[in-house]
Amino acid sequence: GAVVSQHPSRVICKSGTSVKIECRSLDFQATTMFWYRQFPKQSLMLMATSNEGSKATYEQGVEKDKFLINHASLTLSTLTVTSAHPEDSSFYICSARVATGTAEAFFGQGTRLTVV
Amino acid sequence: QKEVEQNSGPLSVPEGAIASLNCTYSDRGSQSFFWYRQYSGKSPELIMSIYSNGDKEDGRFTAQLNKASQYVSLLIRDSQPSDSATYLCAVNSQAGTALIFGKGTTLSVSS
Repeated sequence: GAVVSQHPSRVICKSGTSVKIECRSLDFQATTMFWYRQFPKQSLMLMATSNEGSKATYEQGVEKDKFLINHASLTLSTLTVTSAHPEDSSFYICSARVATGTAEAFFGQGTRLTVV
Repeated sequence: QKEVEQNSGPLSVPEGAIASLNCTYSDRGSQSFFWYRQYSGKSPELIMSIYSNGDKEDGRFTAQLNKASQYVSLLIRDSQPSDSATYLCAVNSQAGTALIFGKGTTLSVSS
């Protein structure tokens, strides 16, 4: 399958600081990437859809000013958690599609964020 | 609200048995269906996709889809302890949109 690389895999930050997570499609171009969040023993919850060259579409209840998404190229999308708080501690996962019309999505390795 | 429902389990089967995982979805317009496997602390890994009614087999895995009943299942034959994981059912209603995930079923295969 296609390879999606996510970095960092783990990060610990202090409350009030910002953290940037990168998601790269290594061997294909992704016009659309998706950001999910997963709390322990819960399913993946879609946070936003990231479109190359345009503004991200956020799901209801997700603060766009807190979770900044940038998709500046066909192979890179970033999620920045601004002014992080302990309740933002979670597993953040990005995914990307290989091509338009193909529904298969491949996931990055995930980022375990801990805010202390 | 589009929903995907799964029994959370845990589903326990002995090694060598068949594990049967089930999933129902609410959006009748759904077109694509997937099963992902997720080990603890890891991201999901795609194991099966199915797009039309009937069965699709890949090795020890068989996905079954019944759109009339809005039901999709995954059978794992000859279950191995390494199959122990959480299995996520995911549904896509429209090309280009995100997958909607169920909460997952935890499978435990005992040796």
